[in-house]
Amino acid sequence: SQQGEEDPQALSIQEGENATMNCSYKTSINNLQWYRQNSGRGLVHLILIRSNEREKHSGRLRVTLDTSKKSSSLLITASRAADTASYFCATEGIGNEKLTFGTGTRLTIIP
Amino acid sequence: ETGVTQSPTHLIKTRGQQVTLRCSSQSGHNTVSWYQQALGQGPQFIFQYYREEENGRGNFPPRFSGLQFPNYSSELNVNALELDDSALYLCASSQDAGSGNTIYFGEGSWLTVV
Repeated sequence: SQQGEEDPQALSIQEGENATMNCSYKTSINNLQWYRQNSGRGLVHLILIRSNEREKHSGRLRVTLDTSKKSSSLLITASRAADTASYFCATEGIGNEKLTFGTGTRLTIIP
Repeated sequence: ETGVTQSPTHLIKTRGQQVTLRCSSQSGHNTVSWYQQALGQGPQFIFQYYREEENGRGNFPPRFSGLQFPNYSSELNVNALELDDSALYLCASSQDAGSGNTIYFGEGSWLTVV
């Protein structure tokens, strides 16, 4: 079963604009991670945010976490055509280090 | 490049057959996890191996089994294949089984069951 739900399921924006994706989850977590997947290929780890953190930055990526609402957001600033991919959030449960993935957001950057 | 290699990259099997997928973990990593990703879905956890022992299992039937070898490479075996087993199978390795370790995924093995 999927723990998280990403919103929106699909997003198309112009190159240079910012892209925001949201993730909601159901149970308490140790951390939440975001991954990127190019069409039918492996997952690439983008960023990890721990349950006691509220915001984290990495390059053009900004992640927020609200544990009271069980939600997270991923912001990609100044998008590029190469950012076109599917983005997944994944949660690591307390006492259970497996990752539970959401359903993903398909991001398309229009040149 | 994550240093995690999987083979084969693509294969086609007939319903009822058996399949073995292989994974070489990144150097220095003792933990391997396997995930199944159906088309249009997020990956689902199958099981994890830590130092050659199964260390957690998802909601998959016993016909999904695995092994981890002393060099920490791993195999996923699926018996009595069903059409719904068609998916991308992802292997991931990490330095340890504990919380918060960065996980590195391979490129996956595409399995089609006909």
